[in-house]
Amino acid sequence: EAGVTQFPSHSVIEKGQTVTLRCDPISGHDNLYWYRRVMGKEIKFLLHFVKESKQDESGMPNNRFLAERTGGTYSTLKVQPAELEDSGVYFCASSQTPEGKTQYFGPGTRLLVL
Amino acid sequence: GENVEQHPSTLSVQEGDSAVIKCTYSDSASNYFPWYKQELGKGPQLIIDIRSNVGEKKDQRIAVTLNKTAKHFSLHITETQPEDSAVYFCAASLLGSTLGRLYFGRGTQLTVWP
Repeated sequence: EAGVTQFPSHSVIEKGQTVTLRCDPISGHDNLYWYRRVMGKEIKFLLHFVKESKQDESGMPNNRFLAERTGGTYSTLKVQPAELEDSGVYFCASSQTPEGKTQYFGPGTRLLVL
Repeated sequence: GENVEQHPSTLSVQEGDSAVIKCTYSDSASNYFPWYKQELGKGPQLIIDIRSNVGEKKDQRIAVTLNKTAKHFSLHITETQPEDSAVYFCAASLLGSTLGRLYFGRGTQLTVWP
């Protein structure tokens, strides 16, 4: 069974540019989460999809971030325009049910905004 | 919201010694406490978890203890090996909630010297 995959693995962009991150969850997992880790800090929750619906987006930092999950399969997270403080590692995780336990994480996308 | 504190931020041990990482949480409603291990270039991987109705859980060289009254939980690794070197994250969550978000600590960089 394939794990959670994320693309790209790394992205270096300039301030003001747009970047789109993609996450493919484990097949059959309705729940998809986005998290972010800024250097040296905790992994912070961004948002949670159940199928194609946003269940909880309370962690999204501002309206420069837009997440979608069309068709309830893969998800994209777009940052537009990117700012320096958006640099960090963006993780995606998926699980079968939120009431269950294990969230399976992808390898992350390392974003550097210059 | 929930706040998870994790200590120490770095830990160096000699191969064969034990390693202990401690976390505290603030929300007494939290009832699920997973530990994740992140190796270089990879995403966090669940290594052990514990629910609030259990005080201790073991899996080979890894054990987790939970003190609900004091709101703290710890990871114990015995007979450490160089391949245990990684960043370890503790987390807290509320099982049974449709939200399912994880609240993470800042991570502990464990280095095991041969």
